[in-house]
Parts: sequence; structure tokens; C-alpha cells
Amino acid sequence: AQKITQTQPGMFVQEKEAVTLDCTYDTSDPSYGLFWYKQPSSGEMIFLIYQGSYDQQNATEGRYSLNFQKARKSANLVISASQLGDSAMYFCAMRRNYNNDMRFGAGTRLTVKP
Amino acid sequence: NAGVTQTPKFQVLKTGQSMTLQCAQDMNHNSMYWYRQDPGMGLRLIYYSASEGTTDKGEVPNGYNVSRLNKREFSLRLESAAPSQTSVYFCASSAMTSGVSTDTQYFGPGTRLTVL
Repeated sequence: AQKITQTQPGMFVQEKEAVTLDCTYDTSDPSYGLFWYKQPSSGEMIFLIYQGSYDQQNATEGRYSLNFQKARKSANLVISASQLGDSAMYFCAMRRNYNNDMRFGAGTRLTVKP
Repeated sequence: NAGVTQTPKFQVLKTGQSMTLQCAQDMNHNSMYWYRQDPGMGLRLIYYSASEGTTDKGEVPNGYNVSRLNKREFSLRLESAAPSQTSVYFCASSAMTSGVSTDTQYFGPGTRLTVL
């Protein structure tokens, strides 16, 4: 069974600094995708970034980058130059190839301090 | 484009009542999903539909039924609501039918359901 673990229930970061949100996963499948979603206080789920298991390079999307360490089965989200609007819950998720059951971690609440 | 829309936004039910949550997407996506979000547990898949006319169970299907009405619409029905079904329900859609791992899911705004 696939399992996603986010060990940081809450994180604080100073505005304009970088922050890393941890995510580890467990699967025996060689082909899978890793996703990060942001959930602000308004409640919607916003897709941030995707990393494929066979991708050679770490994914980047603007201020978001994914630190993918396949051997350690970790897919940490790095947010650079934090902004007050980054305060939200962040969820890591994994989907095995040819499988519609995407599994989510419990989430990390990020608070950006001015 | 509206993306994924859900109705209603809020609902309060009494134990034993039934209701249907509606979801529609305008992105011409093939796959649609229903999740529930409980505190401290992230999202869990209830049912999904990989294409019009097909539905399959996810991780937590008990107590729910679904209907893929057409390519755009996917509804979730609670036949006899229980307090354990108090949760936030999210609908999502994705482009592909085959569940390829690169297929990103896009979410609706959610429905907050309370069962008394």
C-alpha cells in the first residue's frame, strides 16, 4: 500500500526567507507521480508542482521547487522568498502509474511571519 | 472558465436523511473524483470515474453512491447520512482516462457537510 508522511504539523517562516516542507512516501512501484497542493484558509485545493519518478531533474514552478531524493523516498517542497500569502496548509500526494487512487499526506500548516 | 464547481457549499443534515452533492467541470476532462477531508487526515478518495459511464470505489466508499451523469457531471449521494460522514467533500477532475501518474487533478471549492 502507498503511504505519504508529512512529519511537520506546523511550520513558521519569516517573510522573504526560504522554507522546506517535508514529505516522505512509501511505494514499491517504480513508476509514480508526486504532487504538492496548497489549501489556503478559504478552503480550495490549489495544484502547485509535480514530479515524476523517472524525472532526472527536480521540478520547479516559480518560487516552488521540489527536492526529490528517490533513494530516500522523499519529495520535499521548497518555497523561496516566502510571502504572507503563502500562509496555508500544504499537502503532499502520490499517485502510482495507471492507478486512480491518489493518496495524500496529513498536511503541514505554514505560517509566514511579517 | 469556471473549472470545477460544486453545489451546495454548505449543508446540514439530520441522521438518516439523504442528499446528493453535485459536481461539474468545464475543462473537457475524462476522469472525475470525490474525496473527503477530515481534520488531521488529509484527503481520502471515495469514488472515481475514469470515463463517462464507469465508476470505481476508492479508499472509503462505504455509505456513498455516485453517478457519472455525463462527461461534465459527477454526483455523490448519501442515502442515509450518519454523523461519521460529517466532513468537507471535494470533487476533482483530470484530463486522462488511464490514471497515468502525470495526470494532474484539479479541485472544486468543496462542500462542508454536517450531520447531526
